[in-house]
Amino acid sequence: GAVVSQHPSWVICKSGTSVKIECRSLDFQATTMFWYRQFPKQSLMLMATSNEGSKATYEQGVEKDKFLINHASLTLSTLTVTSAHPEDSSFYICSAIGAQGWDGEQYFGPGTRLTVT
Amino acid sequence: GNSVTQMEGPVTLSEEAFLTINCTYTATGYPSLFWYVQYPGEGLQLLLKATKADDKGSNKGFEATYRKETTSFHLEKGSVQVSDSAVYFCALSDPVGAGSYQLTFGKGTKLSVIP
Repeated sequence: GAVVSQHPSWVICKSGTSVKIECRSLDFQATTMFWYRQFPKQSLMLMATSNEGSKATYEQGVEKDKFLINHASLTLSTLTVTSAHPEDSSFYICSAIGAQGWDGEQYFGPGTRLTVT
Repeated sequence: GNSVTQMEGPVTLSEEAFLTINCTYTATGYPSLFWYVQYPGEGLQLLLKATKADDKGSNKGFEATYRKETTSFHLEKGSVQVSDSAVYFCALSDPVGAGSYQLTFGKGTKLSVIP
């Protein structure tokens, strides 16, 4: 149980275009989802926290107009990188917390590798 | 605020060697503690966790004990295998305060096990 999927697993796009990444909880309802960014050989940087039906809370330094997050249902959150540039190339990972209770554990998706050319 | 400090790598060990990766934390409340593992090219997987003081988490031969008195959660394995080569992240989740439910990660420790 507690499986989180991401789609696509990797994407290449041209500079100036937008890319949408989906994060789904497959077998549980996720009241809260998190989006992280991971640079090569570095730890995960929390970008934003999203709760179903409300606006995402962005961490300091993360441009909310560039990284649009939508948590439209209890099983789906999307991250759209708008007007992507090469510096946005990174590994993006989502995670989710179930609605059934909290024990501190987050369930992670497999990640999406974004390359902007 | 909350923080996690783990030993810097990379760590290179021979197969069947003993592994210790140190992790210490600071937190405002009573956090849950986690070790996550990331294999090359993959996302994070929970390795083990402990939710209160003196709890021992264990999985796949790995162990870590929640030590409140030393604010530590060191990861150990008695005999590593080549397949254990990965990056290991220590993390905490503090139920108190503005960052509720958020995970605070250490910087990660890359482990390479050679035959």
